[in-house]
Amino acid sequence: DSGVTQTPKHLITATGQRVTLRCSPRSGDLSVYWYQQSLDQGLQFLIQYYNGEERAKGNILERFSAQQFPDLHSELNLSSLELGDSALYFCASSVGQGANYGYTFGSGTRLTVV
Amino acid sequence: GDSVTQMEGPVTLSEEAFLTINCTYTATGYPSLFWYVQYPGEGLQLLLKATKADDKGSNKGFEATYRKETTSFHLEKGSVQVSDSAVYFCALILSSGYSTLTFGKGTMLLVSP
Repeated sequence: DSGVTQTPKHLITATGQRVTLRCSPRSGDLSVYWYQQSLDQGLQFLIQYYNGEERAKGNILERFSAQQFPDLHSELNLSSLELGDSALYFCASSVGQGANYGYTFGSGTRLTVV
Repeated sequence: GDSVTQMEGPVTLSEEAFLTINCTYTATGYPSLFWYVQYPGEGLQLLLKATKADDKGSNKGFEATYRKETTSFHLEKGSVQVSDSAVYFCALILSSGYSTLTFGKGTMLLVSP
């Protein structure tokens, strides 16, 4: 157990729908990161939050949004889903910026859009 | 921008063979370097790290040395086991200024008995 908790583990939904993925960071970590892993694109950074504030944006679609709550858990919202959004979505957390210790990853949410 | 290039897989080896997975990087600043491992159906686990030039990271028999002159961080293991079969990711993050962890595309390792 890495200490980073992601729910749900699996999600199957239809095109056009909206889903919410949840992440609880490791205790004491203020930064939360979201990554998308697909076979063709590899691991793509989506967005980072630090202590409730958005800190960095990567290759995140406008249909996707995220937030970090006062208790530091984070949610990634995916809307108007398309078949191509099917992927593994990972959450990670870190102490500070992660340069000394890297990130700790959760076990991921596998999203299947049908 | 910052990037990581890994050798393409899959790398297929017999048990007890020597492993090398090549990783080179391009960075606008001074990076910390990491190897992560992803076992089937699981998330990424930090395998080892090095935060400055000539540092050697090691864990579970795996080693990698931070070579600034060749901008490389190759992963090695002297004798692989079937249980080492997984996908290995090289990654970097700048140690100053601001950046997020940038990954290579991953290299699948398959070890047969």
